[in-house]
Amino acid sequence: AQTIHQWPVAEIKAVGSPLSLGCTIKGKSSPNLYWYWQATGGTLQQLFYSITVGQVESVVQLNLSASRPKDDQFILSTEKLLLSHSGFYLCAWSPRNNQAPLFGEGTRLSVL
Amino acid sequence: AQSVTQPDARVTVSEGASLQLRCKYSYSGTPYLFWYVQYPRQGLQLLLKYYSGDPVVQGVNGFEAEFIKSNSSFHLRKASVHWSDSAVYFCAVSASTGNYKYVFGAGTRLKVIA
Repeated sequence: AQTIHQWPVAEIKAVGSPLSLGCTIKGKSSPNLYWYWQATGGTLQQLFYSITVGQVESVVQLNLSASRPKDDQFILSTEKLLLSHSGFYLCAWSPRNNQAPLFGEGTRLSVL
Repeated sequence: AQSVTQPDARVTVSEGASLQLRCKYSYSGTPYLFWYVQYPRQGLQLLLKYYSGDPVVQGVNGFEAEFIKSNSSFHLRKASVHWSDSAVYFCAVSASTGNYKYVFGAGTRLKVIA
C-alpha cells in the first residue's frame, strides 16, 4: 500500500526566516505530486504540481518555491517567511493525471 | 478554468437524519469530481470520486453523490448521519485531461446533533 509522510508536523518560525517542508511517498513509482495551502478555516489552494523528477509547475505565486529532487520526494521552501505564510500545508499525490489526489496529514505553520 | 461553489457554509442535522451537501461546479469540458472530508487538524480524506459512467457514485461510510450534468451539480448524500460525521466537507473539480489543477470549494462544516 502507498503511504505519504509529511514533515515536520508543525513549525513556529519568525518572519524573515527560511522554511523547508517535506513530503515523501512510498509504494508508488512516478506519482503526480501536489502542494496545497489552507488558511485557518479556509479552503485549499493548489500551489504547485510535479509530474516528473526535476520538474515543478507553479499554480499560485505566494513567494514560495518547490522542488522534486527524487521521484518520491517533494520539497516546499522559501528563503524569507511572511506573516501571510501561516496556515496548513498539505502534500498530495495521484497515480495518474487528474485522478483523485490523496493527502498527507499536513504541516501546520505559524509565522510570528 | 474550473470553479466550485458550495453554497452552505454550515449545516446542522440531527443524528439519524438524512443529509445532502450541495456542490455546483463550473467547467466547460468534461469534469472529474471529488468529495473529501477533513476532521480537525487533519489532512483530507477522499470520500468518493466521479470520472465517468454511472452518475451515482458510492463512497465510504455510506456516502454517495450524483453527477447531474444538466445542472452542473455533484451533491453529496447520506441516508442516516452519525455524530462522527461532524467535519468539514470539500467538493473539488479537475479537468478530465491535461491541466493537473484541482479546484476546491469553500467547504461545508457539518454538525451532527443528538
